[in-house]
Amino acid sequence: GAGVSQTPSNKVTEKGKYVELRCDPISGHTALYWYRQSLGQGPEFLIYFQGTGAADDSGLPNDRFFAVRPEGSVSTLKIQRTERGDSAVYLCASSKREGLSYNEQFFGPGTRLTVL
Amino acid sequence: GEDVEQSLFLSVREGDSSVINCTYTDSSSTYLYWYKQEPGAGLQLLTYIFSNMDMKQDQRLTVLLNKKDKHLSLRIADTQTGDSAIYFCAERANNAGNMLTFGGGTRLMVKP
Repeated sequence: GAGVSQTPSNKVTEKGKYVELRCDPISGHTALYWYRQSLGQGPEFLIYFQGTGAADDSGLPNDRFFAVRPEGSVSTLKIQRTERGDSAVYLCASSKREGLSYNEQFFGPGTRLTVL
Repeated sequence: GEDVEQSLFLSVREGDSSVINCTYTDSSSTYLYWYKQEPGAGLQLLTYIFSNMDMKQDQRLTVLLNKKDKHLSLRIADTQTGDSAIYFCAERANNAGNMLTFGGGTRLMVKP
């Protein structure tokens, strides 16, 4: 079956604009994660959904970042008033359910966001 | 806080063994993972080890865990040019929900 998909693959925007990044998890996966990977670094956790609710949003850097998952499937990461420092690859991952043994997270290819 | 450290770069010749090292600080880690990232591709889980184990072997991959020193290593036997990629270790802490904390990645270059 299909893996995790993310759209767009690339997004170029201007400082101060609003952007939305979309993630389609693997069908049936109840857990969904957003990570951010800056150039030359490892991914950093942003937010985790179990079903429709955000179970842990401790990684969101500030209140310009917000994410939703209204029907427990597709998720949208929203960034307001973008800044040049927001430029990074935004990764989405999904897994079957919380607490399942090693809980493999399947990652999407990411959205490369560039803020000019 | 949690911190995962890796060396930045490793270069080996095709056919040699590669050893990628990782240190972590959270003693409550339950699972530790190795991911592979190739250009233009998503992160791919290679292998994982539960914290009560000290070794796991999976074909060409061997994971060693020294829990006392909080040191994790990934050995790739008979390294091939297709193994060239960035390798990330990650920990899943027992008290942090299900989020993963990643190291900065080790770029493995395999020379023919």
